[in-house]
Amino acid sequence: AQSVTQLGSHVSVSEGALVLLRCNYSSSVPPYLFWYVQYPNQGLQLLLKYTSAATLVKGINGFEAEFKKSETSFHLTKPSAHMSDAAEYFCAVSDNQAGTALIFGKGTTLSVSS
Amino acid sequence: DADVTQTPRNRITKTGKRIMLECSQTKGHDRMYWYRQDPGLGLRLIYYSFDVKDINKGEISDGYSVSRQAQAKFSLSLESAIPNQTALYFCATSDPGTSGSGEQFFGPGTRLTVL
Repeated sequence: AQSVTQLGSHVSVSEGALVLLRCNYSSSVPPYLFWYVQYPNQGLQLLLKYTSAATLVKGINGFEAEFKKSETSFHLTKPSAHMSDAAEYFCAVSDNQAGTALIFGKGTTLSVSS
Repeated sequence: DADVTQTPRNRITKTGKRIMLECSQTKGHDRMYWYRQDPGLGLRLIYYSFDVKDINKGEISDGYSVSRQAQAKFSLSLESAIPNQTALYFCATSDPGTSGSGEQFFGPGTRLTVL
C-alpha cells in the first residue's frame, strides 16, 4: 500500500530564509508525486508534480522538489521565503495508473516571520 | 468562473439530519472524488467515481453515500449526520487522458459543522 509521511507538522522560517518541507513516500510501483498548497480558507492548488521525467521538478512561486528514489523522498524547497508563502502544504502520491486517487500526507503548516 | 464548484460553502446542521453536499465541474473530466480534511490528518478519500456508472468506496466511506448524476455532477450525502463528521469537505476531478499523471483539481471546499 502507498503512504506518505511529512516530517514536521509545523515549520517556521524568517522571511528570506530557505524553506525545506520534508516528504517521504512508500510505494510498490514507480510513483507519481505531488505537492499541493492550501492558503487560508481556500482549496488546494498544485505546486508541482513528479511524473518520472526529470528528478528535479520546478513549480510555481519559486518552489522546487527533488525526487530521490534511493531515499524515497520528495522534499520541497524554496531558496528565499516570502510572507505570502505562509500556508499549509500537502505531499501526495498516486500509483502510475494515472487517475487513481491520491494518498495525502498529514500536511505541514509553514509560518513566515518578518 | 471556477472550474470546480461546491455548494454550500458553509453549513451548520444538527445531529441526525440528512445533508447533501454538491459538486459541479466544467472541466469535462470523467473522474471525480470526495475527500474530507481534518486538522492534523490531511485529506482522506471518502468516495470516487471514474464515470457515471462507476462508484467506488474510499478509505472512510462509512456514514456517507454518493450520487453521480451526470459527468459534471457528484453529490455527497450524510444520511444521518453526527458530530464527528464535522470537517472540511473537498471535491476534486481528474482526467488521465490529458494530464497523464493523475493530477487532481480541487474545489474550494465545504465547511460542515454538525452540532
